[in-house]
Amino acid sequence: DAGITQSPRHKVTETGTPVTLRCHQTENHRYMYWYRQDPGHGLRLIHYSYGVKDTDKGEVSDGYSVSRSKTEDFLLTLESATSSQTSVYFCAINPGQGGYTFGSGTRLTVV
Amino acid sequence: QKEVEQNSGPLSVPEGAIASLNCTYSDRGSQSFFWYRQYSGKSPELIMSIYSNGDKEDGRFTAQLNKASQYVSLLIRDSQPSDSATYLCAVTEGTGGFKTIFGAGTRLFVKA
Repeated sequence: DAGITQSPRHKVTETGTPVTLRCHQTENHRYMYWYRQDPGHGLRLIHYSYGVKDTDKGEVSDGYSVSRSKTEDFLLTLESATSSQTSVYFCAINPGQGGYTFGSGTRLTVV
Repeated sequence: QKEVEQNSGPLSVPEGAIASLNCTYSDRGSQSFFWYRQYSGKSPELIMSIYSNGDKEDGRFTAQLNKASQYVSLLIRDSQPSDSATYLCAVTEGTGGFKTIFGAGTRLFVKA
């Protein structure tokens, strides 16, 4: 989507390894979000940020950490990946009209 | 636990028909309501937002909100095969998209 990119698009990693997903926006929005999407559960909020170095937990934050050192970048880290963290991860920004613009997603498989 | 409920479907309608998608939510303090469309393997795309009771129309789409009954619906008129997708209902407490809660989505198939 225009103005927001995620990397990598796909990743396979082994159980117990750390993994970092990156979200980059070019539109200077204050709020950024990380969601995971799993069949039957819809999108669930992991962490969100409301400014540089300002972050807070969502409903499924266990096992995840985030960092935001610059307005444009929001990083999601799985400290020690587990099979239950196999999912599709979406980053989102709030352009101000109330709804989100999502990145293209990262499909993560933990083996 | 705040919840947003949707029928998972699939909902199957013939081309040209009206597709009706429904959503209920548990938090009476919710103020903003959204519908997203998600094609298979793609990211969700915002298609409608509604903030007050009643109907809001945008092209072939109409969103309906009833806060007293805590439901929001999406009508798609003149359904096309290209409308086949999963539709996500989303609800938030305020107007800034803060901590939005998503339903699991309804799969829609439009048969040509």
